[in-house]
Amino acid sequence: DIQMTQSPSSLSASVGDRVTITCRASQSISSYLNWYQQKPGKAPKLLIYAASSLQSGVPSRFSGSGSGTDFTLTISSLQPEDFATYYCQQSYSTPPEFTFGPGTKVDIK
Amino acid sequence: EVQLVESGGGLVQPGGSLRLSCAASGFTFSSYEMNWVRQAPGKGLEWVSYISSSGSTIYYADSVKGRFTISRDNAKNSLYLQMNSLRAEDTAVYYCARIIAPADAFDIWGQGTMVTVSS
Repeated sequence: DIQMTQSPSSLSASVGDRVTITCRASQSISSYLNWYQQKPGKAPKLLIYAASSLQSGVPSRFSGSGSGTDFTLTISSLQPEDFATYYCQQSYSTPPEFTFGPGTKVDIK
Repeated sequence: EVQLVESGGGLVQPGGSLRLSCAASGFTFSSYEMNWVRQAPGKGLEWVSYISSSGSTIYYADSVKGRFTISRDNAKNSLYLQMNSLRAEDTAVYYCARIIAPADAFDIWGQGTMVTVSS
């Protein structure tokens, strides 16, 4: 089974800050890595798919990079609406496991 | 509007059963692979089950294999999850989610339905 880890587990940041979240897979997953944002009481929202492709309608301040085992999600200038929990997810396994990372909570400093 | 709406959650005793439904609208349901994902209170996301667009291919997480059954009715634009032998650890919000190829990302999610397993 492929295990996913994220760091940090939480962070405090201010509006306007550049924020980077890291996701690591226990084995190579090529570029089969997706990022989601979840706000309290709401369903997750797809931000980035295939490691670096921006989902339609998602602001360009969000970007993703990486391949193999190491990936990053970057928010170039944090906005008030970006305070949320972020999850990475691998979609490489066959048969599918769709393993999620444990999440990174971004809150207000 | 592209939309998924879950229903069927509630309180059930350990060992009991529950059937969740997910109604799709705004897109050609029969063309998309679908999933169930759950989230225990205060915890992260856990993938539960996958079904292909035709319903011919199905996968489950080990934690629910042999107890849960996923199905779909493309004529009714609906996805289902039959949950049997429920345990306290199955308590969670259950989401249905659509897959987009080729990245196999979950692009559309329902609002979720809460399942509580307790005596």
